[in-house]
Amino acid sequence: ETGVTQSPTHLIKTRGQQVTLRCSSQSGHNTVSWYQQALGQGPQFIFQYYREEENGRGNFPPRFSGLQFPNYSSELNVNALELDDSALYLCASSLKQRGGTDTQYFGPGTRLTVL
Amino acid sequence: DQQVKQNSPSLSVQEGRISILNCDYTNSMFDYFLWYKKYPAEGPTFLISISSIKDKNEDGRFTVFLNKSAKHLSLHIVPSQPGDSAVYFCAAPAYGSSNTGKLIFGQGTTLQVKP
Repeated sequence: ETGVTQSPTHLIKTRGQQVTLRCSSQSGHNTVSWYQQALGQGPQFIFQYYREEENGRGNFPPRFSGLQFPNYSSELNVNALELDDSALYLCASSLKQRGGTDTQYFGPGTRLTVL
Repeated sequence: DQQVKQNSPSLSVQEGRISILNCDYTNSMFDYFLWYKKYPAEGPTFLISISSIKDKNEDGRFTVFLNKSAKHLSLHIVPSQPGDSAVYFCAAPAYGSSNTGKLIFGQGTTLQVKP
C-alpha cells in the first residue's frame, strides 16, 4: 500500500506567476484535502475534494483552485502568486465512508517559495 | 480567530520522564480531537484521537485527556524517548467526527527529549 505522495518537493516562483502542485492519494482513498502551513504555524485548511467535487473550502481567495481526478489524484493551482503564498503545502487523503470517522493521511508537502 | 490554541511553542524534557503537551479550544461544538506528530521534511502523522464522549484515551505510551468544561485537552507521553522529538499539533474537525477533512490545527508545540 503506497502512502500519500506530493510533487514537486520544492519550488521557487516569482510574484504574479502561476503554480500547480500535485498529490497522489493513498490507494483506495476517495477524499483529498489541501492545507497551507506558514512557518511557525499549524496547517490551515484550503479545501477538500470528495469524488471529484469540492466539498468544503477554507478562508482562501478564488485564485486558489483545485481538481480531483477519477483516480483520486489531485492538483492545487494558485494564480497570481503573492509573497505571502510562500509556505509548505500539504495534501491529505482519507477514505470517507457512511458513518464512522476517517483518518487523514498526510503527504510530505511541497515547499513553495515566492520571490 | 484561533479556535484551537497551543500556547507553548516548545517543551524540553529528559528521556524517561513525562511529556505533557497542552491544547485549548474555543468552539464548544467540536466533538472530536486529534493529535498529530510531525518530523522535519515529513507530513503530519496521526497519533491519537479522542471523542468528546470520553475524557481519556490511551494508546501505549500516549494518553490524551479531555476536559470539556475547561475546553482543554492534553497529551501525555510516558516515558518520553528521544525519538519522540518532533512538532506536535492538536486539531479538531470543523465538520465534526463524521468528516475530518477540514481540520482546525493549533500552532504546534516542538518537543525535545534529551537523552
